Amino acid sequence: GDSVTQMEGPVTLSEEAFLTINCTYTATGYPSLFWYVQYPGEGLQLLLKATKADDKGSNKGFEATYRKETTSFHLEKGSVQVSDSAVYFCALNSGGSNYKLTFGKGTLLTVNP
Amino acid sequence: DAGVIQSPRHEVTEMGQEVTLRCKPISGHNSLFWYRQTMMRGLELLIYFNNNVPIDDSGMPEDRFSAKMPNASFSTLKIQPSEPRDSAVYFCASSRTRGQHGYTFGSGTRLTVV
Repeated sequence: GDSVTQMEGPVTLSEEAFLTINCTYTATGYPSLFWYVQYPGEGLQLLLKATKADDKGSNKGFEATYRKETTSFHLEKGSVQVSDSAVYFCALNSGGSNYKLTFGKGTLLTVNP
Repeated sequence: DAGVIQSPRHEVTEMGQEVTLRCKPISGHNSLFWYRQTMMRGLELLIYFNNNVPIDDSGMPEDRFSAKMPNASFSTLKIQPSEPRDSAVYFCASSRTRGQHGYTFGSGTRLTVV
């Protein structure tokens, strides 16, 4: 079945540091891939997505590239801010008649000033 | 666009009481999902609907849980009777498509059963 594995946290960085959160997946077919962000006390918000191999999703300085050969979708940001502190979830939808999003367990990011 | 609206935001109830959580999806979205989030188990999909019809309820933990979607603009998740282990944040999400473009989540209902 479908599954998502993302690096366990927590991740603690200083402001302006480089961020990478690793995500790998197992899926049938050609999945769509997503990163969601959850700020404290809020619901999940779609951060970025990619729907086919080699696509790069980007938003708010975050980027992730759909790598079919390595089944990965790593999240990166060149310079993090304190306001980026949140939990980040990698997710996939395997397409076709599948309605479900399969989520990773989430990675807590804390950025210190 | 008002987004996915959930109510109440917080609910505290005593064990054994009935709890009803409510969700209004985004207008025009035809898929609706209920998730539960806990520290121990993370995000769990409980049930999802397409065009108001339940498609998969295999994630519903027990018969104490039930969900309905009487029309395209409203859904409920009911727990009867509630137990302390039901304490969690319950999210509703909706989507225009089958999921290949992602969902929009509500802000959640934090349920505490004492």
